[in-house]
Amino acid sequence: DQQVKQNSPSLSVQEGRISILNCDYTNSMFDYFLWYKKYPAEGPTFLISISSIKDKNEDGRFTVFLNKSAKHLSLHIVPSQPGDSAVYFCAASGVGGTSYGKLTFGQGTILTVHP
Amino acid sequence: KAGVTQTPRYLIKTRGQQVTLSCSPISGHRSVSWYQQTPGQGLQFLFEYFSETQRNKGNFPGRFSGRQFSNSRSEMNVSTLELGDSALYLCASSPGASGNTIYFGEGSWLTVV
Repeated sequence: DQQVKQNSPSLSVQEGRISILNCDYTNSMFDYFLWYKKYPAEGPTFLISISSIKDKNEDGRFTVFLNKSAKHLSLHIVPSQPGDSAVYFCAASGVGGTSYGKLTFGQGTILTVHP
Repeated sequence: KAGVTQTPRYLIKTRGQQVTLSCSPISGHRSVSWYQQTPGQGLQFLFEYFSETQRNKGNFPGRFSGRQFSNSRSEMNVSTLELGDSALYLCASSPGASGNTIYFGEGSWLTVV
């Protein structure tokens, strides 16, 4: 039962253009969402997060949008840079005891930014 | 501020052996959680500790266990290793409340032969 899904295994973008990574979730109890960037054999690096009470959060070149009714979120990277090439994971957490320390991850999307 | 530190980074064990991995959380963080990453299953939650108590647990067999010390440092142990336990084991820390951002360490890469 995949509660967090990233349906695009890979995305290729030209340097300077926008990268849009998508994520869908099924569990309506999720109320906090995060994006991580990861290189092979390394730990995920936190990028940006959003609470369910918001629909947008920005941090520099990264913007996350949340559509609660559609149970969909997206990460926009503008402008994309070659150094952004990595695997991007969407993750979600809920509230209360069963959520402590627990993130549910999507399968990841490999982003390649071409110079 | 130092990040989450995990040791060892790489290790090779034989089937049937046991292994202990160590994690030092970000200073001031009281919650430590552990994850397993494999190509087939992705990133999966093992368990979480807060103030030396396990508060949350994922769906892993009892061979996987952990503990947390009074200084918030944590260890996880896998007994009777199986080939399928080969994975990247990630430790993460946070202040401990719901909705806190969780920060990950570099991971311990375990190979079971």
